[in-house]
Amino acid sequence: AQRVTQPEKLLSVFKGAPVELKCNYSYSGSPELFWYVQYSRQRLQLLLRHISRESIKGFTADLNKGETSFHLKKPFAQEEDSAMYYCALTSAGGTSYGKLTFGQGTILTVHP
Amino acid sequence: KAGVTQTPRYLIKTRGQQVTLSCSPISGHRSVSWYQQTPGQGLQFLFEYFSETQRNKGNFPGRFSGRQFSNSRSEMNVSTLELGDSALYLCASSRTGGGNSPLHFGNGTRLTVT
Repeated sequence: AQRVTQPEKLLSVFKGAPVELKCNYSYSGSPELFWYVQYSRQRLQLLLRHISRESIKGFTADLNKGETSFHLKKPFAQEEDSAMYYCALTSAGGTSYGKLTFGQGTILTVHP
Repeated sequence: KAGVTQTPRYLIKTRGQQVTLSCSPISGHRSVSWYQQTPGQGLQFLFEYFSETQRNKGNFPGRFSGRQFSNSRSEMNVSTLELGDSALYLCASSRTGGGNSPLHFGNGTRLTVT
């Protein structure tokens, strides 16, 4: 069974402070991990995926298979980063056919 | 490029009725997935269609069904509505539906069952 856990429902930081949103997963196969973000009154959108190993809007995430984690990090938070963040998992084998398993989400608030 | 379009944006139905939700994917995307989002359960996968065939299904009762047309547009139907079906229903499209093909979500249809 697939499971994604985001232990923090709410996370508050001040502008310019580092931020880390935690994500742990449970999956017996080879996973593909994503971070999705939903800004206020906007649709859910892809932020980044582990396979791309890229930095988007200053955010990075490293897949740690030993700790089964995929934490999202940004060294200096901005007010426009305030949003709901979802960690999601699917099979890397290509047989997931549209199925993502989502965590419960973390609401990030960046204070001025 | 136009994004995923879902209609209608809001629906209010009565228990026992049925409802049909519509989704138009991004041009060129052949896979359409449906998700239910509720405060208690979060985002849960309903099913996925590709080339008019259902390839994957989540753990929902048979009252939830869907279909996909030759132009990749998809509809989702819920019959015999229950109060617990009140939720935001999200449609997502991707090129292939595989793990290497990211999902692009619509704005959702908010269904309220009274």
